[in-house]
Amino acid sequence: SQQGEEDPQALSIQEGENATMNCSYKTSINNLQWYRQNSGRGLVHLILIRSNEREKHSGRLRVTLDTSKKSSSLLITASRAADTASYFCATDAYGNNRLAFGKGNQVVVIP
Amino acid sequence: DTAVSQTPKYLVTQMGNDKSIKCEQNLGHDTMYWYKQDSKKFLKIMFSYNNKELIINETVPNRFSPKSPDKAHLNLHINSLELGDSAVYFCASSQDSGRQQFFGPGTRLTVL
Repeated sequence: SQQGEEDPQALSIQEGENATMNCSYKTSINNLQWYRQNSGRGLVHLILIRSNEREKHSGRLRVTLDTSKKSSSLLITASRAADTASYFCATDAYGNNRLAFGKGNQVVVIP
Repeated sequence: DTAVSQTPKYLVTQMGNDKSIKCEQNLGHDTMYWYKQDSKKFLKIMFSYNNKELIINETVPNRFSPKSPDKAHLNLHINSLELGDSAVYFCASSQDSGRQQFFGPGTRLTVL
């Protein structure tokens, strides 16, 4: 079964609005990570949240993790046109020696 | 200073040809990866090396052969290219398998 599976939706919002995307997974994890991919570029790491953490902030990013529901959310506040990208969650599961990436969420921020 | 670099950025070739993609990281990481991203942006791990040793070989056809001459380099050689090999290939590195990964810019391979 696929780990790190985002809600398969594209999100189109106005600049200044908040963007929220979700990710669910199926097995126990060490940590969960979020990455951004701009068009034609490689993935860039945004934030890592460990299994014993519930919430983490980095600038305009807020990540939550609910291990009982096996889900995470990424909130981007006060979005900017430059936030237009695909966002991937990835899980580090025990003993897997790899990150399992989800399908990605396309976010378009309209100036 | 580019952390993870790949060459070439674009590769257009005919079916049946053999091609290589090179990857280098200057981060001093022990672990390197190759991923394939398809047209729907799904990212699938292909290989992982730790200190020049193969750790993950994820049911990839044996036409694909990774080679790690040292822990800073992980190259990907593909024999007898097929149409279905067309994709974007990403190299990445990390200090160990659970930590954040640093991705290269990708190589867009088009097989005609």
